[in-house]
Formats: sequence, C-alpha cells, structure tokens
Amino acid sequence: GAGVSQSPRYKVAKRGQDVALRCDPISGHVSLFWYQQALGQGPEFLTYFQNEAQLDKSGLPSDRFFAERPEGSVSTLKIQRTQQEDSAVYLCASSVLQGKAGNTIYFGEGSWLTVV
Amino acid sequence: ILNVEQSPQSLHVQEGDSTNFTCSFPSSNFYALHWYRWETAKSPEALFVMTLNGDEKKKGRISATLNTKEGYSYLYIKGSQPEDSATYLCAFLKYNNNDMRFGAGTRLTVKP
Repeated sequence: GAGVSQSPRYKVAKRGQDVALRCDPISGHVSLFWYQQALGQGPEFLTYFQNEAQLDKSGLPSDRFFAERPEGSVSTLKIQRTQQEDSAVYLCASSVLQGKAGNTIYFGEGSWLTVV
Repeated sequence: ILNVEQSPQSLHVQEGDSTNFTCSFPSSNFYALHWYRWETAKSPEALFVMTLNGDEKKKGRISATLNTKEGYSYLYIKGSQPEDSATYLCAFLKYNNNDMRFGAGTRLTVKP
C-alpha cells in the first residue's frame, strides 16, 4: 500500500526480552517520527529523523530505547530488556518535510506491545 | 513544558446530536495545530492542519476553528453518526521544534 506500514502489529514480550519494531514510511517522505501511546494518554514524542539523521531523540525514555534509520527510509525502534511500563502502542509517522507548518503527517497503524 | 489539553475526556451523544470539543495549547511560538481522528486499531487520520489565527476549516460534517492568540481550537461535528465514534486528537507544533505535542484526546461515542 501507499501508507505508513508498521510491523509487527502486535507483540507480546516477556519482561527482559529485546524487541524490534519496524516502520516503512511513505516513499519519498523525508521526516519520520516515533511516538509512544500508553493506555488513556495521547501519543508522546520519542524521536525524529530527517532522512538518516536522528535530529531529536529527547523523548526516548531511557537508554534501553534506540532508534535508527540507516538509509533514510525504513526505521527500527529497538527496546532492550523490556519492562512492563514499556507496554504501549508505538506509532510511526512520516511527512514530506518537517518545518513546513502546513504539512500533513501520516501515521501507521501502530505496533501494540505488551510486556508480561 | 508544552501542555496540550483536550476536553472533555469522553463524550457520549445520540445519533443526530451536534457536538464540539476543545483543544488548548500554549499561545507562544505557535506554528501549527493538527486534528486527527483515531479509531482503535487503525492509523490516526489527519482531519485538519491549521496555521493561521482565525482559520476555519470544514470537511463534510466536521469543522474546526483556531484562535492562536488565546491558545484554543474547537472541533465541531454536526449531526453525529455512529461512524463518527473515535478518539479525536489535537497536536500542537511549536515554531522551530521537531516534535508535535499531542493532547490526550476526546473519546466520542455516538449511540444509534
């Protein structure tokens, strides 16, 4: 499809396990965002890429969280030694270019992570 | 701290009712305000991107207004239908910043 694609859609991880969440943005989109949405809350910013450069990672909650976008297209969010508080929906979004106020940001369907 | 607040948190209306919700955001360094509609297990769907004070946007039965000086936006739904049931999120983009700050959303349930 032409939209933002995320995988896996659903993941159950045992506490302490490492997980990797993948995002395929819309082709040609320069900007890529990761958000974390816990139950009952709005999406919280995690990190932002412009092409392959990670320009802002201020929202990553701990050093167990790591994101990369090595070729400026597909991005992976990795969570090491998962904890129960990591249970959330992880949303990926892309847009043509950050900095243009009128740009629409397109979201994927999210990866639903449950840590047991 | 960028606080984006939405009210009410949840809303139950009957089919055919008109309704509205509020998004409040910091009025300084405003750049853009986005509204999204999010159905469970689907992608958040962009409704409006608003950039100018006084903006009014409309899409079918849904419309939105923007007041950047006082820091609020209203979303209106006229003649609610069951398929309008979703969480409506607003997101504030601050000038020269990379992240969009989201409110917690308003969960709308429209009963047939």
